Amino acid sequence: KQEVTQIPAALSVPEGENLVLNCSFTDSAIYNLQWFRQDPGKGLTSLLLIQSSQREQTSGRLNASLDKSSGRSTLYIAASQPGDSATYLCAVQGGYQKVTFGTGTKLQVIP
Amino acid sequence: SQTIHQWPATLVQPVGSPLSLECTVEGTSNPNLYWYRQAAGRGLQLLFYSVGIGQISSEVPQNLSASRPQDRQFILSSKKLLLSDSGFYLCAWSTPGHSNQPQHFGDGTRLSIL
Repeated sequence: KQEVTQIPAALSVPEGENLVLNCSFTDSAIYNLQWFRQDPGKGLTSLLLIQSSQREQTSGRLNASLDKSSGRSTLYIAASQPGDSATYLCAVQGGYQKVTFGTGTKLQVIP
Repeated sequence: SQTIHQWPATLVQPVGSPLSLECTVEGTSNPNLYWYRQAAGRGLQLLFYSVGIGQISSEVPQNLSASRPQDRQFILSSKKLLLSDSGFYLCAWSTPGHSNQPQHFGDGTRLSIL
């Protein structure tokens, strides 16, 4: 059974700081890994999708890496802004398109 | 382009009342459809998925049921709600037959049971 862990559970940083969110998964037989952002009371916004054959994806100030063999992914946020405050979810997709989510990292960027 | 709609956005129901949450997808045919729940302080959990009309798979035993009366319509129901049914419910769709394609999520329904 796939298990996804995100560390830290919560993070508070001053504005402008670079930061890294971590995600680990137990079963490396995945098709892709996705990072989402969830604002309070809202749905999920997809940030980055990394296919199993890829090592990283970049979008603006965000960079996600994937090391499938070791079961790890990181989300790097450069020059953090207060608007980045949200919960960040990591999700891995295995066979039959089953997606397993981590419990998330709650990020607060302090102005 | 494809879009997914969920309603209602927010719902407050008494214990023991029935439930019906609806999800529809536009712009694609024969999508795989999913219902997830996010309980307070817990991660997103897959409840049901469907690969076609009338085909429902349940991931966890519970008080809820799902139905797919039309190709792009997915309904989550309960005959009698429990306090433990409170949470944030998300519907998602994906392209069938392509395991590397991502799931796309709706905006969710926040359900509070009193």
